[in-house]
Amino acid sequence: DSGVTQTPKHLITATGQRVTLRCSPRSGDLSVYWYQQSLDQGLQFLIQYYNGEERAKGNILERFSAQQFPDLHSELNLSSLELGDSALYFCASGGTGYSGTEAFFGQGTRLTVV
Amino acid sequence: AQSVTQLGSHVSVSEGALVLLRCNYSSSVPPYLFWYVQYPNQGLQLLLKYTSAATLVKGINGFEAEFKKSETSFHLTKPSAHMSDAAEYFCAVTYSGGYQKVTFGTGTKLQVIP
Repeated sequence: DSGVTQTPKHLITATGQRVTLRCSPRSGDLSVYWYQQSLDQGLQFLIQYYNGEERAKGNILERFSAQQFPDLHSELNLSSLELGDSALYFCASGGTGYSGTEAFFGQGTRLTVV
Repeated sequence: AQSVTQLGSHVSVSEGALVLLRCNYSSSVPPYLFWYVQYPNQGLQLLLKYTSAATLVKGINGFEAEFKKSETSFHLTKPSAHMSDAAEYFCAVTYSGGYQKVTFGTGTKLQVIP
């Protein structure tokens, strides 16, 4: 158990809909990362937050957004969903957010868009 | 900019044979390097990490990796493959200073043949 909790574990929704994925980082971790993993794209970094502020942005679509709340949990919002958004979405947390500390991964949310 | 390249998206070895998974990094400053393992339908789990201490790093499940600055490599090895080692392995890099994100390679799927 990595200590990172993601909910829900599975999500099935229709095209055009909006969903919210939730992540609770390990106790004491200030940094949260979001990743998308699909068969054709592999593991893609989406976005990083550190103590409530956005710190790094990767291949995140404009239809997607994220935030980190004062209690450090994070949410990833996916809107106007398309079939191609079907993937595993991972949240990871790190210590202080500085390097040298590895990322600890949650079990992921499997999103299926039908 | 930092990056890692994993040579070989699929590697097959016989049970009991040497496992060698290759990773080369690119970083303009001294890197911190990681190897993660992902079993089917699970999150990524840290195998080992290099953070500028000993160049030969021992991890869990009998894996180890050697940091070679002259070759910009961080290859993962295990003397004798076990069936339970079948999984996908990711190399990752970050570096010191600031709120640096961890960059992952494209992954190598290891197949162990009985």
